[in-house]
Amino acid sequence: DAMVIQNPRYQVTQFGKPVTLSCSQTLNHNVMYWYQQKSSQAPKLLFHYYDKDFNNEADTPDNFQSRRPNTSFCFLDIRSPGLGDAAMYLCATSSAGPRNSPLHFGNGTRLTVT
Amino acid sequence: ILNVEQSPQSLHVQEGDSTNFTCSFPSSNFYALHWYRWETAKSPEALFVMTLNGDEKKKGRISATLNTKEGYSYLYIKGSQPEDSATYLCASLLDSWGKLQFGAGTQVVVTP
Repeated sequence: DAMVIQNPRYQVTQFGKPVTLSCSQTLNHNVMYWYQQKSSQAPKLLFHYYDKDFNNEADTPDNFQSRRPNTSFCFLDIRSPGLGDAAMYLCATSSAGPRNSPLHFGNGTRLTVT
Repeated sequence: ILNVEQSPQSLHVQEGDSTNFTCSFPSSNFYALHWYRWETAKSPEALFVMTLNGDEKKKGRISATLNTKEGYSYLYIKGSQPEDSATYLCASLLDSWGKLQFGAGTQVVVTP
């Protein structure tokens, strides 16, 4: 089945130690998104790619970076995680934009910062 | 309304009962409204994408309505079952290329 896969499911990192979360998709979708969700809050868009075009949200901290080496893969790098970065990170894809098509989500990576 | 707001934050429903809850969104520059169901330990699953004022969509026992002029959508669950227990998220499309703003969700717990 075509799908969006996030690895790992759970990630524990130390304060200040760089961490990378990964997302892959077999849907061949143009658009990929990274969302951050903290407990009981709305998922917050960090950035998205339309093909290779990178779009950073204005309020996404510089500590967060992303790479999309090809259509299938997208990475979220947190350069120096702080305690406030502990959250669920969701990757999602869209075929041509969500005006008429839904997002397809991965299972998420829950990040703990110790 | 500047943000997407969902109410109530949580609700408990007896099996067999019907329920509904609300998503409020900015009515200016409306592009689309999405509903997702998010069960614990699973990925959010799309329920509906709605674009037209007055639209009503149905998927099994779940249906949704849309009022773009006043900026709200209702999600209805008819004859709730334990498997309907999940967090239901709505999201408003803020621009034409794809920025979805989510609400914090309504957590539904259906008890047998």
